Amino acid sequence: RKEVEQDPGPFNVPEGATVAFNCTYSNSASQSFFWYRQDCRKEPKLLMSVYSSGNEDGRFTAQLNRASQYISLLIRDSKLSDSATYLCVVTDTDKLIFGTGTRLQVFP
Amino acid sequence: DAGVIQSPRHEVTEMGQEVTLRCKPISGHDYLFWYRQTMMRGLELLIYFNNNVPIDDSGMPEDRFSAKMPNASFSTLKIQPSEPRDSAVYFCASSWTGQNTGELFFGEGSRLTVL
Repeated sequence: RKEVEQDPGPFNVPEGATVAFNCTYSNSASQSFFWYRQDCRKEPKLLMSVYSSGNEDGRFTAQLNRASQYISLLIRDSKLSDSATYLCVVTDTDKLIFGTGTRLQVFP
Repeated sequence: DAGVIQSPRHEVTEMGQEVTLRCKPISGHDYLFWYRQTMMRGLELLIYFNNNVPIDDSGMPEDRFSAKMPNASFSTLKIQPSEPRDSAVYFCASSWTGQNTGELFFGEGSRLTVL
């Protein structure tokens, strides 16, 4: 089983839609969780951290469920510029483990 | 401000040739990481340095891969001899702290094709 698993997508949604991605992780000892965004043929960039109580940054909401070992990212009011691959990231002792990403395509 | 700088951006080489990828981290960052990204395996950590010292190289696939960081502003990843299965995008990243804070700053990557 992969350490971090994501649905590869693609998720094709119209502008204005709400879309959610889930990610599961295998290491129950993981302490820190993040979402990174990677545009096509570009480098990954930190989108947001994921806190136990859930957290929001504008149109983006991240949630963590430790009992079920999954993390979610909700994007409201999707914009064309949200089209990218979203990488779920968890820590494993001193390392960051990246999922293979979920691709989002927002169409007009 | 300059970000992480990698070179070359693209490299096409033939099997058996030596490949050297270069990275200049953000000034002041104590940690430097080398990752490899493929469609099948995603982003994989190869090795990371703290204050120029290699801390964990368990991700280096085999002896054909080596990495050095002779000073705080420069690191190299070398593949010798290269093989077609080494074709991937190689990213260098740096940070002020270790990985637990999650904020890694990536370079634009070096896209390697081994024929």
